[in-house]
Order: sequence, then structure tokens, then C-alpha cells
Amino acid sequence: QQKVQQSPESLSVPEGGMASLNCTSSDRNFQYFWWYRQHSGEGPKALMSIFSDGDKKEGRFTAHLNKASLHVSLHIRDSQPSDSALYFCAAPNSGGSNAKLTFGKGTKLSVKS
Amino acid sequence: AQTIHQWPVAEIKAVGSPLSLGCTIKGKSSPNLYWYWQATGGTLQQLFYSITVGQVESVVQLNLSASRPKDDQFILSTEKLLLSHSGFYLCAWSLGQGATGQLYFGEGSKLTVL
Repeated sequence: QQKVQQSPESLSVPEGGMASLNCTSSDRNFQYFWWYRQHSGEGPKALMSIFSDGDKKEGRFTAHLNKASLHVSLHIRDSQPSDSALYFCAAPNSGGSNAKLTFGKGTKLSVKS
Repeated sequence: AQTIHQWPVAEIKAVGSPLSLGCTIKGKSSPNLYWYWQATGGTLQQLFYSITVGQVESVVQLNLSASRPKDDQFILSTEKLLLSHSGFYLCAWSLGQGATGQLYFGEGSKLTVL
């Protein structure tokens, strides 16, 4: 079973709208999460990490973490066509020198102008 | 500023032929280095990691090997390609101290095996 599950698989929002992406972990060893964004043909880039319960806001992006349910979400307000990309939720392993991230399968976001 | 460069950008190879993909990181000494594989539009699977020159750990067995001949260089190779090797190969680096670090990915190498 995938240890990091993302939903929905794909999402379409109008320009200026709100996009909401979800991620749930089935492994209580995962205590915090990263969101990565990958534009087509490029390498992924980190958007933000979150390790405390509650909200973390960075510009138009807000991540929300509920540690009890191991659920994290990413909300993008005022979505722009440039936000169209594959979004990954990722959780790091709990220790050691290998920064192994377990990635979800991704959510494909399309922002229609 | 740190830069990560992968080569080649794309390759089309025949089944059974050898492969070598490379990655160079500039502006950061002794980074942790990683190879990831991604099927088209799919998730990212870590293949190898290295915390120091000459040391490489394998995470999954995919008939691939990796080497770190210099502090700033990471090489992925195989002597015999399979169809299943097709995909997008991404090199990444992080600072030490393991899992708390952000991963910085290169732009990737697209491999098509025919």
C-alpha cells in the first residue's frame, strides 16, 4: 500500500480560483511533510514544508497539517496558469543520513484561463 | 549559488545497449546526492544515494548502478538497458543531516529505450 496517498489525481480550476490538494499518510513515522511542484519536462521544486499542526502560509500557498490524522493539504488561492503542474506530497524517513523522501503519486493541476 | 547540471538532456537507446547518465553539482561541498526515477507523469522513486565520495547505497534493484567518482559528480549507468528503464531520471542533492533537508533536483534526463 502506498504510504503517502494524494487526492484528487487531477484537478481543474479557473484562473483566479482556489485549488485544494490533499495528502494522507498511513505511516505514523512520517511526522512532517513537503510539497513539491513539477512543471512538465522539468525537475521538481520544493514549495514548502510543514511540521506543526495548523496552517503555514507562504504567499498564495497555504499548507495545513493535522498530525492526529496524518493529513496535510495544500491550498492555492488566486490560481494562475503558471500553477499548472504536477504537485507531489512527500514525507521524509525518520532518521539516518539518507534524506529519503516517500512521494505520493501526485495531483495534476490545470488552471484554465 | 548552487547549480546542478544533468547530462544528457535526452537519450534514445536500444534494448541491451549501455547507458551512462551524469550529474554535477557546483557551489556546494560534500552534498548528499541522489538518483530518482520517474515514469511519465508518475511518482518519484529513489534509486541511489551517496553521502561521500566513493560510497553509494542502493535503494531499489533495477539493474542499474551508480558511482560517485568526485565530490561533485554522480553517475548512473548500466551495461544492458531494458525496456523498463525508460523514464525520467532525476539527480538531486541535499545538505547533510538526512531527512530534514530539502531536496534540490536537476532538470532531468529523459530516457527512451526501444
